[in-house]
Amino acid sequence: DTAVSQTPKYLVTQMGNDKSIKCEQNLGHDTMYWYKQDSKKFLKIMFSYNNKELIINETVPNRFSPKSPDKAHLNLHINSLELGDSAVYFCASSQNPASLYNSPLHFGNGTRLTVT
Amino acid sequence: QKEVEQDPGPLSVPEGAIVSLNCTYSNSAFQYFMWYRQYSRKGPELLMYTYSSGNKEDGRFTAQVDKSSKYISLFIRDSQPSDSATYLCAMSARGAQKLVFGQGTRLTINP
Repeated sequence: DTAVSQTPKYLVTQMGNDKSIKCEQNLGHDTMYWYKQDSKKFLKIMFSYNNKELIINETVPNRFSPKSPDKAHLNLHINSLELGDSAVYFCASSQNPASLYNSPLHFGNGTRLTVT
Repeated sequence: QKEVEQDPGPLSVPEGAIVSLNCTYSNSAFQYFMWYRQYSRKGPELLMYTYSSGNKEDGRFTAQVDKSSKYISLFIRDSQPSDSATYLCAMSARGAQKLVFGQGTRLTINP
């Protein structure tokens, strides 16, 4: 029944490692996103894909690489993890990226990444 | 200066109180305004949205937008312990394909 599901829920890893987070949505939405929420709860967009095409790429280190194999999936791969990457990463989806007020974002429950 | 400013709190009030949550913003192109609620260890969920200036009411919740002051508010009447969460304002410009979020206000309603 879960609309937007992401795995893993928790991820603890050491600096320098490479890790991936997976996201899947069963809402039939065309657009998917990755957001980062820092320790102060500040939620900031990283990437957005519409029908597998990258439409938003904020100022994010190129160690972060999203991949969308199909419009229901959006994965995030992170190379050479750093301490500052520790945060909660949220996947989200929406039907129409240009009218987010009546096509709201549906968020997953987050992946809590801790880099030691 | 951040595009959207929101007092992170924490804000603690007794059950039954009226709660006022606010955000200010600097981008005059913002036309769509939303409030998301985020429970602990969960993702945010849309609570209310408004377009341009004015009020919108939904049950115990009222959203207000004052574009001339670049100020938005969310009021919660007869607050309940189940309202305890972080409330994030979010906004976007017409045709923009992303939301800009405030930092979120952590609210606790004490029984």
